Amino acid sequence: QVQLVESGGAVVQPGRSLRLSCAAFGFTFSSYGMHWVRQAPGKGLEWLAVISDDGGNKHSVDSVRGRFTISRDNSKNTLYLQMNSLRAEDTAVYYCAKGFFGGGMSFLVDIWGQGTMVTVSS
Amino acid sequence: DIVMTQSPDSLAVSLGERATINCKSSQSVLSSSNNKNYLAWFQHKPGQPPKLLFYWASTRESGVPDRFSGSGSGTDFTLTISSLQAEDVAVYYCQQYYSTPAFGGGTKVEIK
Repeated sequence: QVQLVESGGAVVQPGRSLRLSCAAFGFTFSSYGMHWVRQAPGKGLEWLAVISDDGGNKHSVDSVRGRFTISRDNSKNTLYLQMNSLRAEDTAVYYCAKGFFGGGMSFLVDIWGQGTMVTVSS
Repeated sequence: DIVMTQSPDSLAVSLGERATINCKSSQSVLSSSNNKNYLAWFQHKPGQPPKLLFYWASTRESGVPDRFSGSGSGTDFTLTISSLQAEDVAVYYCQQYYSTPAFGGGTKVEIK
């Protein structure tokens, strides 16, 4: 059974850093691109970043580029999101999601984790 | 970047009646190389992760009831629920994956 489990969400002060993790189960993790998507309270879904199956290619939305970094460790079947210089507007549920098509960096996702909450507040 | 606009923001439909959600992209998401529309629909219920309903605008994901249908091409797309059931209450999002992925603002579907 394909499953994604996020962790690392916390309450952090503005300007601080946080790293989220996403553990993958039930599929060949190294064969799929992976994504991060967030949802701020009362708002819609916002796509953040994608990383290719081998980690060699990455792409992110302008609003987080330079502050957030997506990475992966295929030996641990784990996806990461390093978030630096956090702002109040980064408060959201952060979801990891699996690329639909195997190989490379599919922009379509299918399976999502349950999400982890990040609150940026002083 | 391609901007996705959904309408309406919310709608209330009686059980058994039709619900129609519209999605418009700021530029075409139809690929000339494979004649496919890079448009997906997701269902998002409270406390659950989003669920993929359709990709290529009209290809139903496995397990999605056939009362759901996706249509459209180019820049204009529609998600239709032919006979609304109680379990269909959710927020529905369109998403283009033609370029940097982007979601529409969402449409909240409720029971009238």
